[in-house]
Amino acid sequence: KQEVTQIPAALSVPEGENLVLNCSFTDSAIYNLQWFRQDPGKGLTSLLLIQSSQREQTSGRLNASLDKSSGRSTLYIAASQPGDSATYLCAFCRGSTLGRLYFGRGTQLTVWP
Amino acid sequence: SQTIHQWPATLVQPVGSPLSLECTVEGTSNPNLYWYRQAAGRGLQLLFYSVGIGQISSEVPQNLSASRPQDRQFILSSKKLLLSDSGFYLCAWSVAAGGIDTQYFGPGTRLTVL
Repeated sequence: KQEVTQIPAALSVPEGENLVLNCSFTDSAIYNLQWFRQDPGKGLTSLLLIQSSQREQTSGRLNASLDKSSGRSTLYIAASQPGDSATYLCAFCRGSTLGRLYFGRGTQLTVWP
Repeated sequence: SQTIHQWPATLVQPVGSPLSLECTVEGTSNPNLYWYRQAAGRGLQLLFYSVGIGQISSEVPQNLSASRPQDRQFILSSKKLLLSDSGFYLCAWSVAAGGIDTQYFGPGTRLTVL
Protein backbone atom coordinates (compact mmCIF):
# COMPACT_ATOMS: atom_id res chain seq x y z
CA LYS A 1 0.00 0.00 0.00
CA GLN A 2 1.46 3.30 -1.08
CA GLU A 3 1.12 5.94 1.61
CA VAL A 4 2.17 8.89 -0.53
CA THR A 5 1.33 9.48 -4.18
CA GLN A 6 2.95 12.11 -6.33
CA ILE A 7 1.50 13.27 -9.62
CA PRO A 8 2.78 13.64 -12.24
CA ALA A 9 5.67 11.18 -12.17
CA ALA A 10 7.51 13.30 -14.72
CA LEU A 11 7.10 16.79 -16.10
CA SER A 12 8.93 18.60 -18.90
CA VAL A 13 8.29 22.30 -19.44
CA PRO A 14 9.92 25.32 -21.08
CA GLU A 15 11.67 27.89 -18.97
CA GLY A 16 9.44 30.55 -17.41
CA GLU A 17 6.36 28.45 -16.75
CA ASN A 18 4.64 28.31 -13.40
CA LEU A 19 4.36 24.75 -12.15
CA VAL A 20 2.25 22.77 -9.70
CA LEU A 21 3.44 19.47 -8.31
CA ASN A 22 0.94 17.36 -6.42
CA CYS A 23 1.27 15.12 -3.42
CA SER A 24 -1.51 13.12 -1.77
CA PHE A 25 -1.31 11.09 1.39
CA THR A 26 -3.59 8.58 3.00
CA ASP A 27 -3.24 9.55 6.64
CA SER A 28 -4.97 12.74 7.79
CA ALA A 29 -3.25 12.55 11.18
CA ILE A 30 0.02 13.89 9.90
CA TYR A 31 2.43 15.89 12.05
CA ASN A 32 4.11 17.73 9.23
CA LEU A 33 4.84 17.48 5.55
CA GLN A 34 8.12 18.24 3.82
CA TRP A 35 9.18 18.84 0.26
CA PHE A 36 12.67 17.81 -0.84
CA ARG A 37 14.71 18.21 -3.97
CA GLN A 38 17.02 15.50 -5.26
CA ASP A 39 19.52 16.06 -8.05
CA PRO A 40 20.61 12.97 -10.04
CA GLY A 41 22.89 10.73 -7.99
CA LYS A 42 22.79 13.10 -5.02
CA GLY A 43 21.27 13.30 -1.60
CA LEU A 44 18.10 15.18 -0.70
CA THR A 45 17.85 18.87 0.07
CA SER A 46 15.00 20.09 2.22
CA LEU A 47 12.96 22.84 0.55
CA LEU A 48 9.97 23.49 2.75
CA LEU A 49 8.42 22.05 5.90
CA ILE A 50 4.77 22.65 6.74
CA GLN A 51 3.50 21.88 10.21
CA SER A 52 0.06 20.32 10.44
CA SER A 53 -1.29 23.55 11.93
CA GLN A 54 -0.10 25.58 8.95
CA ARG A 55 -1.65 26.03 5.54
CA GLU A 56 1.37 27.03 3.52
CA GLN A 57 5.03 27.93 3.50
CA THR A 58 6.97 30.07 1.06
CA SER A 59 10.63 30.26 0.14
CA GLY A 60 11.63 32.42 -2.78
CA ARG A 61 9.88 31.13 -5.90
CA LEU A 62 8.55 28.10 -4.05
CA ASN A 63 5.23 27.88 -2.26
CA ALA A 64 3.90 24.75 -0.61
CA SER A 65 0.36 24.33 0.64
CA LEU A 66 -1.18 21.72 2.88
CA ASP A 67 -4.80 20.57 3.13
CA LYS A 68 -4.99 17.90 5.78
CA SER A 69 -8.70 17.27 5.36
CA SER A 70 -8.29 16.26 1.74
CA GLY A 71 -4.89 14.68 2.24
CA ARG A 72 -3.15 16.88 -0.29
CA SER A 73 -0.15 19.12 -0.64
CA THR A 74 1.01 21.10 -3.62
CA LEU A 75 4.37 22.61 -4.47
CA TYR A 76 4.12 25.68 -6.64
CA ILE A 77 7.20 26.78 -8.55
CA ALA A 78 7.00 30.23 -10.06
CA ALA A 79 8.89 31.27 -13.20
CA SER A 80 10.69 27.96 -13.57
CA GLN A 81 14.36 27.90 -14.56
CA PRO A 82 16.60 25.16 -16.01
CA GLY A 83 18.33 25.00 -12.61
CA ASP A 84 15.04 23.79 -11.13
CA SER A 85 15.43 20.51 -13.01
CA ALA A 86 15.52 17.74 -10.41
CA THR A 87 13.28 15.19 -8.72
CA TYR A 88 10.94 16.63 -6.12
CA LEU A 89 9.86 14.41 -3.26
CA CYS A 90 7.23 14.95 -0.62
CA ALA A 91 7.20 13.16 2.70
CA PHE A 92 5.02 13.27 5.76
CA CYS A 93 5.61 12.49 9.37
CA ARG A 94 2.85 10.59 11.12
CA GLY A 95 2.01 11.72 14.62
CA SER A 96 5.02 11.97 16.86
CA THR A 97 6.83 8.84 15.72
CA LEU A 98 10.51 9.47 15.74
CA GLY A 99 11.53 11.12 12.51
CA ARG A 100 9.69 8.51 10.52
CA LEU A 101 9.12 10.05 7.14
CA TYR A 102 6.93 8.41 4.51
CA PHE A 103 8.12 9.37 1.06
CA GLY A 104 6.46 9.52 -2.31
CA ARG A 105 8.30 8.33 -5.41
CA GLY A 106 8.81 11.85 -6.63
CA THR A 107 8.13 14.01 -9.65
CA GLN A 108 11.01 14.26 -12.10
CA LEU A 109 11.04 17.83 -13.42
CA THR A 110 12.90 18.97 -16.52
CA VAL A 111 12.92 22.66 -17.38
CA TRP A 112 14.40 23.34 -20.78
CA PRO A 113 15.71 26.71 -21.95
CA SER B 1 27.73 24.81 10.28
CA GLN B 2 26.71 21.19 10.18
CA THR B 3 27.90 18.76 7.53
CA ILE B 4 27.22 15.12 6.89
CA HIS B 5 29.60 12.76 5.13
CA GLN B 6 29.11 9.34 3.63
CA TRP B 7 31.60 6.94 2.18
CA PRO B 8 32.26 5.32 -0.05
CA ALA B 9 30.39 7.23 -2.75
CA THR B 10 30.04 4.15 -4.93
CA LEU B 11 30.57 0.47 -4.27
CA VAL B 12 30.34 -2.67 -6.36
CA GLN B 13 30.26 -5.90 -4.38
CA PRO B 14 29.65 -9.57 -5.21
CA VAL B 15 26.72 -11.45 -3.73
CA GLY B 16 27.62 -12.94 -0.38
CA SER B 17 30.32 -10.41 0.46
CA PRO B 18 30.21 -8.21 3.58
CA LEU B 19 29.27 -4.54 3.62
CA SER B 20 30.19 -1.53 5.70
CA LEU B 21 28.92 1.95 4.91
CA GLU B 22 29.86 4.85 7.12
CA CYS B 23 28.15 8.12 7.91
CA THR B 24 29.51 10.92 10.08
CA VAL B 25 28.02 14.24 11.11
CA GLU B 26 29.98 17.33 12.07
CA GLY B 27 28.96 20.50 13.82
CA THR B 28 26.19 19.15 16.05
CA SER B 29 25.83 17.01 19.15
CA ASN B 30 23.51 14.12 19.91
CA PRO B 31 21.82 14.11 16.52
CA ASN B 32 19.10 11.69 15.56
CA LEU B 33 20.52 9.56 12.76
CA TYR B 34 18.80 7.65 9.99
CA TRP B 35 19.63 5.17 7.21
CA TYR B 36 17.41 5.11 4.12
CA ARG B 37 17.51 3.04 0.96
CA GLN B 38 16.29 4.24 -2.41
CA ALA B 39 15.81 1.36 -4.82
CA ALA B 40 15.21 1.84 -8.53
CA GLY B 41 11.61 2.87 -9.17
CA ARG B 42 10.74 2.98 -5.50
CA GLY B 43 10.51 5.68 -2.88
CA LEU B 44 12.87 6.13 0.02
CA GLN B 45 12.54 3.47 2.67
CA LEU B 46 13.65 4.05 6.24
CA LEU B 47 15.91 1.20 7.36
CA PHE B 48 17.23 2.25 10.78
CA TYR B 49 17.17 5.21 13.10
CA SER B 50 19.10 6.05 16.24
CA VAL B 51 18.50 8.53 19.05
CA GLY B 52 21.84 7.96 20.77
CA ILE B 53 24.99 5.88 21.06
CA GLY B 54 24.17 2.19 20.95
CA GLN B 55 20.44 2.85 20.44
CA ILE B 56 19.23 1.45 17.14
CA SER B 57 15.71 0.85 15.93
CA SER B 58 14.98 -1.21 12.84
CA GLU B 59 12.12 -0.44 10.53
CA VAL B 60 12.32 -3.28 8.06
CA PRO B 61 13.48 -6.87 8.67
CA GLN B 62 16.40 -7.62 6.40
CA ASN B 63 19.94 -8.89 6.34
CA LEU B 64 21.29 -5.43 7.17
CA SER B 65 22.28 -4.08 10.56
CA ALA B 66 23.29 -0.70 11.92
CA SER B 67 25.52 0.47 14.71
CA ARG B 68 26.32 3.78 16.34
CA PRO B 69 29.70 3.45 18.07
CA GLN B 70 30.10 7.21 18.54
CA ASP B 71 27.72 10.12 18.92
CA ARG B 72 28.12 11.33 15.35
CA GLN B 73 28.93 8.09 13.58
CA PHE B 74 26.42 5.71 12.05
CA ILE B 75 27.41 2.50 10.28
CA LEU B 76 25.35 0.24 8.04
CA SER B 77 26.57 -3.33 7.72
CA SER B 78 25.80 -6.69 6.25
CA LYS B 79 27.49 -10.05 6.68
CA LYS B 80 26.34 -11.38 3.30
CA LEU B 81 24.95 -9.14 0.58
CA LEU B 82 22.00 -10.11 -1.58
CA LEU B 83 21.20 -8.90 -5.08
CA SER B 84 18.18 -7.10 -3.63
CA ASP B 85 20.48 -4.98 -1.46
CA SER B 86 21.46 -2.91 -4.50
CA GLY B 87 20.35 0.68 -4.26
CA PHE B 88 21.19 4.18 -3.19
CA TYR B 89 21.81 4.45 0.55
CA LEU B 90 21.27 7.74 2.25
CA CYS B 91 22.17 8.79 5.75
CA ALA B 92 20.35 11.67 7.39
CA TRP B 93 20.33 13.53 10.68
CA SER B 94 17.95 15.76 12.57
CA VAL B 95 18.13 17.81 15.73
CA ALA B 96 14.70 17.23 17.16
CA ALA B 97 12.99 13.93 17.72
CA GLY B 98 9.42 13.24 16.80
CA GLY B 99 9.72 14.41 13.24
CA ILE B 100 9.11 18.03 14.16
CA ASP B 101 12.28 19.18 12.51
CA THR B 102 13.64 18.78 9.04
CA GLN B 103 16.07 16.02 8.17
CA TYR B 104 19.39 16.75 6.49
CA PHE B 105 20.68 14.18 4.06
CA GLY B 106 24.17 13.09 3.11
CA PRO B 107 25.40 12.68 -0.48
CA GLY B 108 24.57 8.97 -0.56
CA THR B 109 26.34 5.72 -1.46
CA ARG B 110 25.49 3.90 -4.67
CA LEU B 111 25.72 0.15 -3.98
CA THR B 112 25.61 -2.39 -6.78
CA VAL B 113 25.54 -6.06 -5.85
CA LEU B 114 26.49 -8.40 -8.71
